[in-house]
Amino acid sequence: AQKITQTQPGMFVQEKEAVTLDCTYDTSDPSYGLFWYKQPSSGEMIFLIYQGSYDQQNATEGRYSLNFQKARKSANLVISASQLGDSAMYFCAMSPAPSGGSYIPTFGRGTSLIVHP
Amino acid sequence: DAGVTQSPTHLIKTRGQHVTLRCSPISGHKSVSWYQQVLGQGPQFIFQYYEKEERGRGNFPDRFSARQFPNYSSELNVNALLLGDSALYLCASSSGTQSYEQYFGPGTRLTVT
Repeated sequence: AQKITQTQPGMFVQEKEAVTLDCTYDTSDPSYGLFWYKQPSSGEMIFLIYQGSYDQQNATEGRYSLNFQKARKSANLVISASQLGDSAMYFCAMSPAPSGGSYIPTFGRGTSLIVHP
Repeated sequence: DAGVTQSPTHLIKTRGQHVTLRCSPISGHKSVSWYQQVLGQGPQFIFQYYEKEERGRGNFPDRFSARQFPNYSSELNVNALLLGDSALYLCASSSGTQSYEQYFGPGTRLTVT
């Protein structure tokens, strides 16, 4: 079974500064994927970034980067140059690599990020 | 292109009733997954369908069932509703096998009284 832990219920950051959202995971699967999603107050989950367990380099997508430390089972999300629109819930998730079908993420409890002007 | 659509947006039901939630995936996507998100928690996986076949089932009672139609749209059915079924139900679509990118719909907010 997979387990995702997000220890920060809430985070505050000043506009234009960088922020790191923590995520640790536990799994016995040798091949897996790590994900981050954003959920604004509207409720819709927005895919941000993906990291495969065998990927050598940290994933980056625009202002988002995933700091992947496999030995520590850590997959922190770094948001650079925060914007007011980044205020939302952020969920870390992981899934074993599928043998058929799509990935099925197990989600953490989320971190609420508030960006101050 | 239209994103994932879900209907209805909101729903209020009484304990013991039955509910059907609907989802239309992004055009060309063949895989649909359903999630339940209780307030204050992350989404929990309920079902995944690909090419009309069930490819995964989460830890939910048999009161929950789903199906996928030839046009890849999907229904989630919940029988004998309990107060604890009150949640946001999210549908996600992806292009198919091995796909890691899922696109979520706006969800259906179900309230059971």
